[in-house]
Amino acid sequence: QQPVQSPQAVILREGEDAVINCSSSKALYSVHWYRQKHGEAPVFLMILLKGGEQKGHEKISASFNEKKQQSSLYLTASQLSYSGTYFCGTVTENAGGTSYGKLTFGQGTILTVHP
Amino acid sequence: DVKVTQSSRYLVKRTGEKVFLECVQDMDHENMFWYRQDPGLGLRLIYFSYDVKMKEKGDIPEGYSVSREKKERFSLILESASTNQTSMYLCASSFGAGSEKLFFGSGTQLSVL
Repeated sequence: QQPVQSPQAVILREGEDAVINCSSSKALYSVHWYRQKHGEAPVFLMILLKGGEQKGHEKISASFNEKKQQSSLYLTASQLSYSGTYFCGTVTENAGGTSYGKLTFGQGTILTVHP
Repeated sequence: DVKVTQSSRYLVKRTGEKVFLECVQDMDHENMFWYRQDPGLGLRLIYFSYDVKMKEKGDIPEGYSVSREKKERFSLILESASTNQTSMYLCASSFGAGSEKLFFGSGTQLSVL
């Protein structure tokens, strides 16, 4: 079953912040985040393993709450280059460390940043 | 940098045709994947392979088959294309058995008329 992302779309002005959520009905081993710009391949942002760690990448960070089976992606002081579709991908706990990179993706969140 | 190359960016086929989508990666990755991307549905896994000649079904394998004769190449086959297979197809690869990051190709937009 696919994780559910919210919101489906968000529109920002440069410098504003946004949060994208990813919720699963299953216990998770890891959560991955990818960004896809229009007409391009999805690009890896970060992986969060169970343990509730928070990771960062430039002004983009994420958290993973394994008890709630949720992850959130935080974009602070957004830039025009942040526009794109963000996907979370999950590995369930029973797949654990032998998932071979096989992910179940959410439906995506379209982020648009205006000047 | 890892490069995942898909042979066609756009493809138009007729209903009932046999269609081959080709994907090549240049970083000696063990694992290769075919995803289908549709608006509002995200990326859904069709098939994946963790070794040469090894394959496993993903979440939506019906109507598709795959072939992996060489480590660097993973082909997706539509035996008899149908209009509901019109979609963006993304190939990806990864290294190792763990929760590894994926490297994606730019995609093939397939239209079945």
